[in-house]
Amino acid sequence: AQKITQTQPGMFVQEKEAVTLDCTYDTSDPSYGLFWYKQPSSGEMIFLIYQGSYDQQNATEGRYSLNFQKARKSANLVISASQLGDSAMYFCAMREGPGNTPLVFGKGTRLSVIA
Amino acid sequence: DVKVTQSSRYLVKRTGEKVFLECVQDMDHENMFWYRQDPGLGLRLIYFSYDVKMKEKGDIPEGYSVSREKKERFSLILESASTNQTSMYLCASSLAGVNYEQYFGPGTRLTVT
Repeated sequence: AQKITQTQPGMFVQEKEAVTLDCTYDTSDPSYGLFWYKQPSSGEMIFLIYQGSYDQQNATEGRYSLNFQKARKSANLVISASQLGDSAMYFCAMREGPGNTPLVFGKGTRLSVIA
Repeated sequence: DVKVTQSSRYLVKRTGEKVFLECVQDMDHENMFWYRQDPGLGLRLIYFSYDVKMKEKGDIPEGYSVSREKKERFSLILESASTNQTSMYLCASSLAGVNYEQYFGPGTRLTVT
């Protein structure tokens, strides 16, 4: 079974609008971390935001926020005021349990920002 | 700044060749990882290592091996390259702990002809 599901292969958003990228996860471990990465066309993986399973508040980093709904096992990324430079692939990832485990990635969502 | 470097950005090899992909990190991270990225499949874990000389298989280890003789260096080896190993290979490193992000190298685009 997939541990990370991103159901939107591609999305379009108008510049300056907000956009939500969906991510659901599957784990029975009470301790886990959720991560979002951005991959522009240049190929580098850029870490955006982190949410821990025990965190009470939703994580925010500048224009990025993570809508964490633990009971629904969802960790959606919200980008406010989209910019042309936000056009990229976005990956949701999860790490379970102790720290010597790797991130497991979803298949990604390609976001295109339109002027 | 954390830096993860990979030996080549682009590599072209012939079927049957032995291929070495090198990855070096400069932040004393315990954990190092090799992923391959293919369109529509996301990032899939090949191998990872949580200590020198230690290695764990990921989701797709077949056809690959790894070596970690020093903490900062993690090598991926394709013993006999095949065309279905044409892909983008990404190396990453991290501290141990569920809340630490992985830092990625720039990737190596390998083409096997």
